[in-house]
Amino acid sequence: AAGVIQSPRHLIKEKRETATLKCYPIPRHDTVYWYQQGPGQDPQFLISFYEKMQSDKGSIPDRFSAQQFSDYHSELNMSSLELGDSALYFCASSSQTSGWASTDTQYFGPGTRLTVL
Amino acid sequence: AQSVTQLGSHVSVSEGALVLLRCNYSSSVPPYLFWYVQYPNQGLQLLLKYTSAATLVKGINGFEAEFKKSETSFHLTKPSAHMSDAAEYFCAVSMFSGGYNKLIFGAGTRLAVHP
Repeated sequence: AAGVIQSPRHLIKEKRETATLKCYPIPRHDTVYWYQQGPGQDPQFLISFYEKMQSDKGSIPDRFSAQQFSDYHSELNMSSLELGDSALYFCASSSQTSGWASTDTQYFGPGTRLTVL
Repeated sequence: AQSVTQLGSHVSVSEGALVLLRCNYSSSVPPYLFWYVQYPNQGLQLLLKYTSAATLVKGINGFEAEFKKSETSFHLTKPSAHMSDAAEYFCAVSMFSGGYNKLIFGAGTRLAVHP
C-alpha cells in the first residue's frame, strides 16, 4: 500500500539559509499534518491543512510557512534557519471519513532530518 | 485540554517476558488514544488506536491496549517480548480543535529487549 512520501530524507543547511520540505500524502487523503521532533523529544504539532486550507496551527515559528497544493501535496518552508531548527520533521496524512475528525488515523511519513550547521 | 503522560522513559525486559508500557491521559471529553512505535531512524508507525468501540484494542505485532476510564489509563502490553520490539513507543491523544484533530504525544518510552 502506498505510504506518505517525504523529500528530501536528509537536509543539511547553514544558519540563516532557507529550506523547503515536501510531503506527498497517501492517495485520496485530504488532510496533511506537520510535526517537529527534536533530539530525544516527542513530536510536536506544527500545522495542518484540510482541502488546501489551513485547518489548525500549533507551535510553528513565524519564520516557517506551509501550504497544501491542488494535488494535496504540502510544502513546509523554513527561512532564517537557526541551530535549534535541527530536528526530524514528520508529515502525516489522514482522510476525513467521519464527522468527528478525532477518530481519523494519521499515517506518518519517514520524516526529513534537517541539520542546521 | 488533552494530554498524555508516559510513566518510565526507559523500560528493559528479557526476551519472552511481558511488556507493559504505561500511559495515562487527561481529557475533558471522551478521548481518542493511539500508540505509535518508532524504530531507529524511521518514522512513526501506528500500533493501535482506541475510538470508543471496544475497551480492549488489539494492534499489530501482538500488542494490545486496554482503555480504563476509571484509571484514565491506556497501557500497552505484549505477552512475550521479541528482540525486534526494541524501539521507542509513543502514546498520543487526539485533540479535537475546530473540527480538526492534532495529536498530542507523550514523552515516549524506549523499550530495550535483552536476550
